[in-house]
Amino acid sequence: GAVVSQHPSWVICKSGTSVKIECRSLDFQATTMFWYRQFPKQSLMLMATSNEGSKATYEQGVEKDKFLINHASLTLSTLTVTSAHPEDSSFYICSVPGYNTDTQYFGPGTRLTVL
Amino acid sequence: QKEVEQNSGPLSVPEGAIASLNCTYSDRVSQSFFWYRQYSGKSPELIMSIYSNGDKEDGRFTAQLNKASQYVSLLIRDSQPSDSATYLCAVNIQYGNKLVFGAGTILRVKS
Repeated sequence: GAVVSQHPSWVICKSGTSVKIECRSLDFQATTMFWYRQFPKQSLMLMATSNEGSKATYEQGVEKDKFLINHASLTLSTLTVTSAHPEDSSFYICSVPGYNTDTQYFGPGTRLTVL
Repeated sequence: QKEVEQNSGPLSVPEGAIASLNCTYSDRVSQSFFWYRQYSGKSPELIMSIYSNGDKEDGRFTAQLNKASQYVSLLIRDSQPSDSATYLCAVNIQYGNKLVFGAGTILRVKS
């Protein structure tokens, strides 16, 4: 399976600030990565598909201007939560598809708390 | 109708028993099905994938798929307290290679 890292593992910020979360595929190149959000006691909800070399594809209801995604290289995708508010507090998890499969392997997640 | 449905539980089983987790899905053209385990505060980890009707066994885990009934299940034999977690069923949606997750079933294995 794929080895995926995320940084930071947790972050606390003030309302109105922006937070950048990094997702790295450590053992192979990924042209696609996925970003999920998970609120307490709820399941994972796909936010967007990050595409290397092109714009991200956002799911319905996800504001692309608020959640900026940049797939900078074949091993790195970043999610920036702009002008964060308390309702953005959540567990953000990225995933990478396995090589030549549709299995997804998840990073350890980033817990964001907005005060 | 939700695309992937699971009983939220909690499902409580004694140590050593068989835990049976169930999942139904609505998209008839789905071809790939996954079970993930998620411990509290952690991200999901893949347990099993299954693509064909029937059973697939891996150690203490057996995934069962019935596409006609749009049903997938996970059996955990000889359940251990360390199996206590939330089990997420995920289905690959035909378009865009995306996964849709169920809400998860909480499993508690009591020693």
